[in-house]
Amino acid sequence: EFVLTQSPGTLSLSPGERATLSCRATQTLSSSFSAWYQQKPGQAPRLLIYSTSTRAAGVPDRFSGSGSGTDFTLTITRLEPDDFAVYYCQQYDYSPLFGQGTKVEIK
Amino acid sequence: LQLQESGPGLVKPSETLSLTCTLSGGSISSSDHYWGWIRQSPGKELDWIASIYYSGSTYYNPSLKSRVTISVDTSRNHFSLKLSSLTAADTAVYYCARLDGSSLSFDPWGQGTLVTVSS
Repeated sequence: EFVLTQSPGTLSLSPGERATLSCRATQTLSSSFSAWYQQKPGQAPRLLIYSTSTRAAGVPDRFSGSGSGTDFTLTITRLEPDDFAVYYCQQYDYSPLFGQGTKVEIK
Repeated sequence: LQLQESGPGLVKPSETLSLTCTLSGGSISSSDHYWGWIRQSPGKELDWIASIYYSGSTYYNPSLKSRVTISVDTSRNHFSLKLSSLTAADTAVYYCARLDGSSLSFDPWGQGTLVTVSS
């Protein structure tokens, strides 16, 4: 069974700090289909990154994605107050699959 | 492009849920995109349900396939979801979204509609 595991579950940081979110798959995947979403309470997810490292339209350049194989990473270089949210990774292996999410909270 | 879900907020156990996603500002007949439904149970992660191409080709989550039907109506610029044999475990926010055919990422999303399964 194909599983995506995001870590950590919760990341407690202060504005201005760097956030590094991990997404690990149980099998090797195509980097063409790796994506990251941001979700705030009561809102729909918003696409941030697709194809591992391409920022979606309007996404600030403090967000970046990287990775290959089974390990993918979302980095937020300098957290702003608007960035505190839940982040989901998504991969594709015959069908779309989402990770369980990482909550980035204010320390 | 904007997507808007519509459907009942409350359905009874064992009944069938019917949801529609209507597009505005874009065409469902785009050759570069698919259309999908994703749900999120309270406090849980996102769970892909099904996707469809404007031609009618369908793709289902194996865990839900026996209970799900997705369809498209190009004349009305909308696509729909039916989920049968509902239980409390189907209580969730249901989102529709556009699926890019190249990157297989979802963007944009509808605002979501909360569906509660309860008698």
